[in-house]
Amino acid sequence: EAQLVESGGGLVKPGGSLRLSCAASGFSFSNAWMSWVRQAPGKGLEWVGRIKSKTDGGTTDYAAPVEGRFTISRDDSKNTLYLQMNSLKIEDTAVYYCTTDPDAFEIWGQGTMVTVSS
Amino acid sequence: DIQMTQSPSSLSASVGDRVTITCRASQNIINYLNWYQQKPGKAPKLLIYVASNLQTGVPSRFSGSGSGTDFTLTISSLQPGDFATYYCQQSFSTPRTFGQGTKLDIK
Repeated sequence: EAQLVESGGGLVKPGGSLRLSCAASGFSFSNAWMSWVRQAPGKGLEWVGRIKSKTDGGTTDYAAPVEGRFTISRDDSKNTLYLQMNSLKIEDTAVYYCTTDPDAFEIWGQGTMVTVSS
Repeated sequence: DIQMTQSPSSLSASVGDRVTITCRASQNIINYLNWYQQKPGKAPKLLIYVASNLQTGVPSRFSGSGSGTDFTLTISSLQPGDFATYYCQQSFSTPRTFGQGTKLDIK
């Protein structure tokens, strides 16, 4: 069974950093394009960014609110996706989900909560 | 960026009702439109992909239609487990964008 498990969330002060991980199993992770999607408390879904498979170039794209602050990377040897979040703002408070891409977000993790507060 | 607008934002219905949710894109997205169901505290679940394709394991009472800028999700006969929030999402271009959601609750 295909599965994604996020970890690394927590409480961080504004301006701080955090790295999220997403462990994949049950499917060919190295061939998968992967995205991060977030959901602020009581709000809708917001796409954060994605990374293509290495065979498709391994390039990344980001949403404007996180461009320059967040970095998506992958370690195919560990079947793991990462989201490095720097210069965090209060408005980055959300549940962060990893999900498979590109045509539709088919497989989702359970999410990890990130709270940015002083 | 492509804006996705869903209507209505909320909807009250009864078990057995037929329900339709609409999604409009700010530009032509051909048929690159997906629908998700989300229940409180849970991750979204893919229901329909590429406008009208039923995801494996999703009941046939769910259906999707449309092309270009206008799309619909129809639930033919509401079941108790269908009360949730529904989102459309375009996969035509980046940034990927979602509709604001439609909350479906029990009348």
